[in-house]
Amino acid sequence: QKEVEQNSGPLSVPEGAIASLNCTYSDRVSQSFFWYRQYSGKSPELIMSIYSNGDKEDGRFTAQLNKASQYVSLLIRDSQPSDSATYLCAVEAGRRALTFGSGTRLQVQP
Amino acid sequence: SQTIHQWPATLVQPVGSPLSLECTVEGTSNPNLYWYRQAAGRGLQLLFYSVGIGQISSEVPQNLSASRPQDRQFILSSKKLLLSDSGFYLCAWSVGSFGDEQFFGPGTRLTVL
Repeated sequence: QKEVEQNSGPLSVPEGAIASLNCTYSDRVSQSFFWYRQYSGKSPELIMSIYSNGDKEDGRFTAQLNKASQYVSLLIRDSQPSDSATYLCAVEAGRRALTFGSGTRLQVQP
Repeated sequence: SQTIHQWPATLVQPVGSPLSLECTVEGTSNPNLYWYRQAAGRGLQLLFYSVGIGQISSEVPQNLSASRPQDRQFILSSKKLLLSDSGFYLCAWSVGSFGDEQFFGPGTRLTVL
């Protein structure tokens, strides 16, 4: 069983819609959760971190964490073509570093 | 503000040749440093991490090695490259505990022929 799982996509949404990206993790002791955005050929860029159950909002982005169900999600409101990228979920579980999912490719159609 | 540099940006090397990739961080002291590899269409695989000068931990046994000769310098090396070493190599840094946010450098794209 993979430690961090994401649907590879592509997830296609029209411009202006809400994009919903999901991630599940297997280690119940996980404490820190991160979303990275990676454009093709570029390195990952941190966009959100979340540590407590509930929602955390930053501009058009909202991260949601549910530790009981072991999932974390990212909502992107008013999606723009520039949001088209691969979104990586990363989880820290008391280990030495982060464990990354394989990413979900998002396509925002103009 | 903090900045992380990696070089070279791209590299094409023959099988069996040596490798040296360098990463430096500016604007912070005593960072945790990491080397990841991303194969085409895959997630990030942690290769090495370091909490201080000369302190290296390996996550995956392979023909790669890492060194940290200075506080803000991290080097990834190999004596003999394999075809399977091709990929996108990313250096990252964090401060504080391992649960803290990590920030990535621009990466080195390595092709082994």
